[in-house]
Amino acid sequence: QTVVTQEPSFSVSPGGTVTLTCGLNSGSVSTSYFPSWYRQTPGQAPRTLIYNTNTHSSGVPSRFSGSILGNRAALTITGAQADDESDYYCLLYMDSGISIFGGGTKLTVL
Amino acid sequence: QVHLVESGGGVVQPGGSLRLSCAASGFIFRSSGMHWVRQAPGKGLEWMTFIRYDGSYKYYADSVKGRFTVSRDNSKNTLYLQMNSLRADDTAVYYCAKPPDLPFLEFLPAYWGQGALVTVSS
Repeated sequence: QTVVTQEPSFSVSPGGTVTLTCGLNSGSVSTSYFPSWYRQTPGQAPRTLIYNTNTHSSGVPSRFSGSILGNRAALTITGAQADDESDYYCLLYMDSGISIFGGGTKLTVL
Repeated sequence: QVHLVESGGGVVQPGGSLRLSCAASGFIFRSSGMHWVRQAPGKGLEWMTFIRYDGSYKYYADSVKGRFTVSRDNSKNTLYLQMNSLRADDTAVYYCAKPPDLPFLEFLPAYWGQGALVTVSS
């Protein structure tokens, strides 16, 4: 069974830089999985940040960036702000019409 | 701009059925694939199903395959999710989502509705 893995939690200082990652329980993540990133605050719908590895969704600031780091997809936030405190999810496309979300990373800014 | 509004949520008994709708506007619905994604209380996002723009292809997560059916009416700009044999663990907020405005990326959800809550309980 394919599992998409993310760090359960992460913390960053205001103004700092943080990189969240997204992997597979077996195998490496590449651009072929078209990794996408979403963030969500409690009670709100998800908001798309990045899709297709490094394409910004409309209105998303450039301090959010996506990449492949080693065998994982990565979301880097530079100049973290208090309102970046959210849950962040990655999504990988499995090349069979199926997509799978990671379990999410709870980001704390303090 | 893209606007998606889910409806049809509510409380249903275990073993029962429910149909969700997603009314779409602000884009050419008949040219766009669509997704359903759900989120159980306190849990993460779960991708459930995708339907191509013309309904010719449908894909499902294993957790709902055989119980849930996605469909669409392009004349009404509406997406549907028929849910049968509902279980307590189907309790969730259900979101419809549209892909990005780029070709060949239809399998990625990008624009989201506000969601509809489905509670399965006796």
